[in-house]
Formats: sequence, structure tokens, C-alpha cells
Amino acid sequence: DAGVTQSPTHLIKTRGQQVTLRCSPKSGHDTVSWYQQALGQGPQFIFQYYEEEERQRGNFPDRFSGHQFPNYSSELNVNALLLGDSALYLCASSLGPRTGELFFGEGSRLTVL
Amino acid sequence: KQEVTQIPAALSVPEGENLVLNCSFTDSAIYNLQWFRQDPGKGLTSLLLIQSSQREQTSGRLNASLDKSSGRSTLYIAASQPGDSATYLCAASTTDSWGKLQFGAGTQVVVTP
Repeated sequence: DAGVTQSPTHLIKTRGQQVTLRCSPKSGHDTVSWYQQALGQGPQFIFQYYEEEERQRGNFPDRFSGHQFPNYSSELNVNALLLGDSALYLCASSLGPRTGELFFGEGSRLTVL
Repeated sequence: KQEVTQIPAALSVPEGENLVLNCSFTDSAIYNLQWFRQDPGKGLTSLLLIQSSQREQTSGRLNASLDKSSGRSTLYIAASQPGDSATYLCAASTTDSWGKLQFGAGTQVVVTP
């Protein structure tokens, strides 16, 4: 039973560029959430997708956008990258939007130069 | 707004000693609380989930308690092993924002042989 999978695992971008991160949820899960984790800090909630719609959003600018596909997989897009966007981006899946147990992937490590 | 605090930020114990990790939260309207483990550079592994109606959960050597009135949760790890060395994070969701987990910064644990 595959868990949450994320790609790519590592990537390097320069300021001003755009990035797309991908996530496949755990088998049977229909809800995907994205979190940003800066070094030495706890993860910060970006947004949650359920039924292909953004259901909840954290305190992140519009440069952060997402999408959920009919197969429940999801993408996170970040435009106009800033140095401060360097972080580990974590995807979590759950059954339904009301958080029961969340299962996380290994994350995508983004470095912005 | 829910705020989650974990103290201490780091601790070191000899192998065999019991571990006690503390988590405090400001909003007692908890929907659920979840404990995670994170190894360096890796994603989060779910350890225990406590629903708002529960007082504790147990899994093997792990036991977590929840006291909503005092705004505290405690994770106990019995008979620690070097393999327990990791960062432990607690996260809480609230009844008015049940799709979003608010994380603490974590407690970094080192178990010495």
C-alpha cells in the first residue's frame, strides 16, 4: 500500500522563477493538504484541497496556488520565488476534509538562490 | 488563533530512561491532537492521534494524554532506545478550523547508548 508520494525530492531555483511540486495521496484518501517547513521550525499550513476545490487556506500570499485532480493528486505552485521560500514542502493526505489522522510524504526540499 | 508550544526544545537522555515530552495549546476547542516523529531531512511519521473526546491513546511503548482544560498534551515513551532519537512534533486542530493543523516547533530528542 503506497503512502503519500511527493516529487521532486530536491530542487534548486533562482529568485523570480516559478516552481511546481506534486503529490499523490495515500491510497483511499481524497483530501490533500500542503505545509511549508522552514529549518528548525514546525510546519505551517498553506492550504487544503478536497473535491478539487481549495477548502481552507493559511496565511500565505497569492503567489502560492494549488490544484487537485480527479484522481485526488495535487500540485503546489509558487510564482515569483523569493529567498524566503526556501523550505521543505510537505504534502499530507487524509480521508475527508475534517482532519482525522494525517499522513505525510517525505517532502520536497526547495532551495531558492 | 491556536498557538502550540513545545518545551523543552531539546533534551538528551540515557538509553532505558522514560521520555516525557510536553505540548501546550492556547485554544481548548480542540478537534483533535496528533503527535509526529521527524527524522533529519525527512517527512513526518504519525505516532498517535487523540480525538477531542478522548483522554489518552496508547501504541506500544508510546502513550499520549490530552487535558483540554489545562491546554496540555504529554507524550510518554517508555524505556527509550537510541532509535527513538528524532524530533517530536505535536499539532492541534480546532473545531472552527478542523482542516488545519497548528504545529509546535518540536522537541529534539537524543537517546545516548
